[in-house]
Amino acid sequence: GAVVSQHPSRVICKSGTSVKIECRSLDFQATTMFWYRQFPKQSLMLMATSNEGSKATYEQGVEKDKFLINHASLTLSTLTVTSAHPEDSSFYICSARGETDYNEQFFGPGTRLTVL
Amino acid sequence: GQNIDQPTEMTATEGAIVQINCTYQTSGFNGLFWYQQHAGEAPTFLSYNVLDGLEEKGRFSSFLSRSKGYSYLLLKELQMKDSASYLCAFMDSNYQLIWGAGTKLIIKP
Repeated sequence: GAVVSQHPSRVICKSGTSVKIECRSLDFQATTMFWYRQFPKQSLMLMATSNEGSKATYEQGVEKDKFLINHASLTLSTLTVTSAHPEDSSFYICSARGETDYNEQFFGPGTRLTVL
Repeated sequence: GQNIDQPTEMTATEGAIVQINCTYQTSGFNGLFWYQQHAGEAPTFLSYNVLDGLEEKGRFSSFLSRSKGYSYLLLKELQMKDSASYLCAFMDSNYQLIWGAGTKLIIKP
């Protein structure tokens, strides 16, 4: 149980385009979903936290107009990188938390974004 | 303030035992997690400690001392597939995870 899927796994796009990444909890209801970014050889960096049906809470330094997050249901959250630039190239990982004993986060497989 | 610290890199031999330490400081604490992350992949959950003591799960064990702000992950009978980064993270009073930078574990034959 506790499987989180993420789509697409890899995306290459041109500078200036927008990219949407989907995160789904497949076998549990995710009350909270998290979006992380990870640059090579660095730790996870939390971008935002979203609860179903409410606006996402963004971490300091993360532009909410650039990284649009929608958490419309208990099993789906989307991250849209708008007007992507090469510096947005990174590994984007979502995680989901349901009502489990440990409140642990279950991670999706990640999306490798390359902006040319 | 909050902070968390773990070694950047460790090397061990196949079949041996390795202990990865993690120290943290926080005013609110709701448990400490260890995750494993292979290169290019997302983290996977290994263990959770909220009470002092040792939690054993197969070849992996995790220890917590809340008074010392200290945890370790113990890996026994190391296998080549254990080569990965090991991330410790504590859950703060808002139930948010505060992540360490990760310890890259290199296993040599």
